[in-house]
Amino acid sequence: QSVLTQPPSASGTPGQRVTISCSGSSSNIGSNTVNWYQQLPGTAPKLLIYSNNQRPSGVPDRFSGSKSGTSASLAISGLQSEDEAVYYCAAWDDSLNGSGVFGGGTKLTVL
Amino acid sequence: EVQLVESGGGLVQPGRSLRLSCAASGFTFDDYAMHWVRQAPGKGLEWVSGISWNSGSTGYADSVKGRFTISRDNAKNSLYLQMNSLRAEDTAFYYCAKGRGSGHYQSLDFDYWGQGTLVTVSS
Repeated sequence: QSVLTQPPSASGTPGQRVTISCSGSSSNIGSNTVNWYQQLPGTAPKLLIYSNNQRPSGVPDRFSGSKSGTSASLAISGLQSEDEAVYYCAAWDDSLNGSGVFGGGTKLTVL
Repeated sequence: EVQLVESGGGLVQPGRSLRLSCAASGFTFDDYAMHWVRQAPGKGLEWVSGISWNSGSTGYADSVKGRFTISRDNAKNSLYLQMNSLRAEDTAFYYCAKGRGSGHYQSLDFDYWGQGTLVTVSS
């Protein structure tokens, strides 16, 4: 029952382009920026995209983010085996006293 | 090199207290907001709490409000989480995370994370 809704799983073959969606509301995605994280098994999350579509240094340009209204998407082009991970969206939520909210995570499998 | 090293996790009985610490290095600690994020084993991420650069403002998830207290000591480059009245559902890996952009905590962009410390609440 995460505040931000993501599909639990996604898959693609090497070289393919995949997208992962993140749906929220006017109090979170609709009024704040969206961030995306990649978590490899047994490791801490890594910032992949911040401020909707900005890549930190070192993140390949195969990863891109977009936002429209109360939804956001992460796109991965030229899929590679090392992209197999769990991906989370995150945003600030202005409701009540405000809090941080994450999506439930999407497990990406590279077939 | 930025490093965040958590400590203080362990096994604790329900209702008891525990204090987590996060030692930061490699950046100007008092320029940035800091956060705690937790992850129950096999589950997703949950934002727990955030604190502004000068401790002037703090925020908490509803699930921990009134039980957990975040604090920081900029002179010691350290972040803390005092956890009281612990419950079984607080069992998780607790990560310390650095806010990327500014000293205000109302943003979920964390550019550095610690390795996490495991808190297990069980009798």
